[in-house]
Amino acid sequence: DTAVSQTPKYLVTQMGNDKSIKCEQNLGHDTMYWYKQDSKKFLKIMFSYNNKELIINETVPNRFSPKSPDKAHLNLHINSLELGDSAVYFCASSPIGSPLHFGNGTRLTVT
Amino acid sequence: GQQLNQSPQSMFIQEGEDVSMNCTSSSIFNTWLWYKQDPGEGPVLLIALYKAGELTSNGRLTAQFGITRKDSFLNISASIPSDVGIYFCAGQRGNNDMRFGAGTRLTVKP
Repeated sequence: DTAVSQTPKYLVTQMGNDKSIKCEQNLGHDTMYWYKQDSKKFLKIMFSYNNKELIINETVPNRFSPKSPDKAHLNLHINSLELGDSAVYFCASSPIGSPLHFGNGTRLTVT
Repeated sequence: GQQLNQSPQSMFIQEGEDVSMNCTSSSIFNTWLWYKQDPGEGPVLLIALYKAGELTSNGRLTAQFGITRKDSFLNISASIPSDVGIYFCAGQRGNNDMRFGAGTRLTVKP
């Protein structure tokens, strides 16, 4: 199936831990994104990569570090997790200037 | 970043009724899009609009790109129970920067 797939779907961890979320797309898109959806369902862009190059970096704590080993993958690493990091994180991809295709999200719960 | 104002926040309607929601912004966008999100899933594209004034339909859904390029609306006709979900407008500029409205939560009563 052609898709944007992200793992894990659920992630429960304690404050202070470091965790990673992986994302892969097999759609051949040049651009990949990470969005954060809070408890009120607001979707906020965090990062955007085009062909492995960072092009959008919103005001996100530097505890969040995206890594793109190739244009089909964009992983999100989070250091020193805090309670406020609890949210659903969505990976997405698109051809340049075209609508986004989203993954099904990773629900992160920090206790 | 630029703010998209989406309204209403939520709607409770009877099956068969028509629905209308809209999105406005203080900024101009090159593309307006409408997405739907079901529980536990990511947003799925419903309609994409690329030109000011464009009116596009997808089945029972109709959306328009405002002539000022600062607004868009989505209409759903003859709603059915599976229309339940959260609808998001999104504005996209030329640099792959897409911003979302806060969503309209739709509940359809059978």
